[in-house]
Amino acid sequence: DVKVTQSSRYLVKRTGEKVFLECVQDMDHENMFWYRQDPGLGLRLIYFSYDVKMKEKGDIPEGYSVSREKKERFSLILESASTNQTSMYLCASSLSINGELFFGEGSRLTVL
Amino acid sequence: AQSVSQHNHHVILSEAASLELGCNYSYGGTVNLFWYVQYPGQHLQLLLKYFSGDPLVKGIKGFEAEFIKSKFSFNLRKPSVQWSDTAEYFCAVLNTGGFKTIFGAGTRLFVKA
Repeated sequence: DVKVTQSSRYLVKRTGEKVFLECVQDMDHENMFWYRQDPGLGLRLIYFSYDVKMKEKGDIPEGYSVSREKKERFSLILESASTNQTSMYLCASSLSINGELFFGEGSRLTVL
Repeated sequence: AQSVSQHNHHVILSEAASLELGCNYSYGGTVNLFWYVQYPGQHLQLLLKYFSGDPLVKGIKGFEAEFIKSKFSFNLRKPSVQWSDTAEYFCAVLNTGGFKTIFGAGTRLFVKA
């Protein structure tokens, strides 16, 4: 069965802290994505990666960075968390760029 | 810029009622179209998808969607909803050859038993 695992379901951090969100997929997918989900706004793409060490900005990359050192792992980094980054973060992977996305269960981040 | 519009943010239906959720997108080229569903407490999962061919596609749990190219629409339908269909539904569009799947704002469906 397809599996995308996000390391933390719930996090509470303080403004200015560095935050790491990790995502691992076991499907040997080339492509991985980070979205944030906010009520009334749907899902917005932060960053994506189509190969190891490759990364591309999505629609809202400001305040975020990513790392993809291994094919199965895609990390989202908030260098200095701010309250407007309080959100649900969703990791996804896909086998082909034009294909179905497989999502993790999400990481709900609260920045105080 | 590419965008996806879902007409209803909240829908409340009684069991056995028919469902239609509207989705329109703005993009002039060839697209792949998706409906994803998020049941309470669960992760997002694919409901159905359209890549090419028959514009009427069938998905899981009795859902179907019709692609009308001239209207840039991909509406989701189900003839008779069940209480277990209570969930949030997202329409999504990916332009062929592109990288970014764009999502609509979502529609929260509540089905009364």
